[in-house]
Amino acid sequence: ETGVTQTPRHLVMGMTNKKSLKCEQHLGHNAMYWYKQSAKKPLELMFVYSLEERVENNSVPSRFSPECPNSSHLFLHLHTLQPEDSALYLCASSQDLTGESHEQYFGPGTRLTVT
Amino acid sequence: QKEVEQDPGPLSVPEGAIVSLNCTYSNSAFQYFMWYRQYSRKGPELLMYTYSSGNKEDGRFTAQVDKSSKYISLFIRDSQPSDSATYLCAMSEPGTYKYIFGTGTRLKVLA
Repeated sequence: ETGVTQTPRHLVMGMTNKKSLKCEQHLGHNAMYWYKQSAKKPLELMFVYSLEERVENNSVPSRFSPECPNSSHLFLHLHTLQPEDSALYLCASSQDLTGESHEQYFGPGTRLTVT
Repeated sequence: QKEVEQDPGPLSVPEGAIVSLNCTYSNSAFQYFMWYRQYSRKGPELLMYTYSSGNKEDGRFTAQVDKSSKYISLFIRDSQPSDSATYLCAMSEPGTYKYIFGTGTRLKVLA
């Protein structure tokens, strides 16, 4: 595997379920991101980790819980979601947070549907 | 006023045409400018990454930044049906990891 991978690619869950999204980057990067992409809206930054330390929690509801056990893996734990949380969830990584090597590379996304 | 404005399209062109995709922005502190291509049901793919003003060319793609007008463009020469996708612009200030994205322009290249 190369680049940034995400599993599962599709997920349907009820509002009372608990599920987790997984992201893995094979680029040797130090920073990882979770974004939410909804139709006709710009990408929304949710969480940012740098060297496994969370540096951003962009006013995201507590029903979304991130976890970064090491610099290659990122999880998004989901519980008691709402239908409006249905969206494409994208993981990204970058070599550094800022500076000349901060371009972000995205994974294919997880299409989440909350019923 | 949105920080980054991008015409949603769709923009339909015949194969072989030169395509111009544009974004305007309001924050004069932006110094990094990116273009991503996103195929249906896929994640965004980084096409171009530029710093400050000027042009950058990569194959059939040219990115242009005009900071005086707060306007960036992506030109695609000899467009192909495989270029049909949504194109997202993104920008950031120096010293920050926050990218501000446009809503994307949907491009259709007709064979």
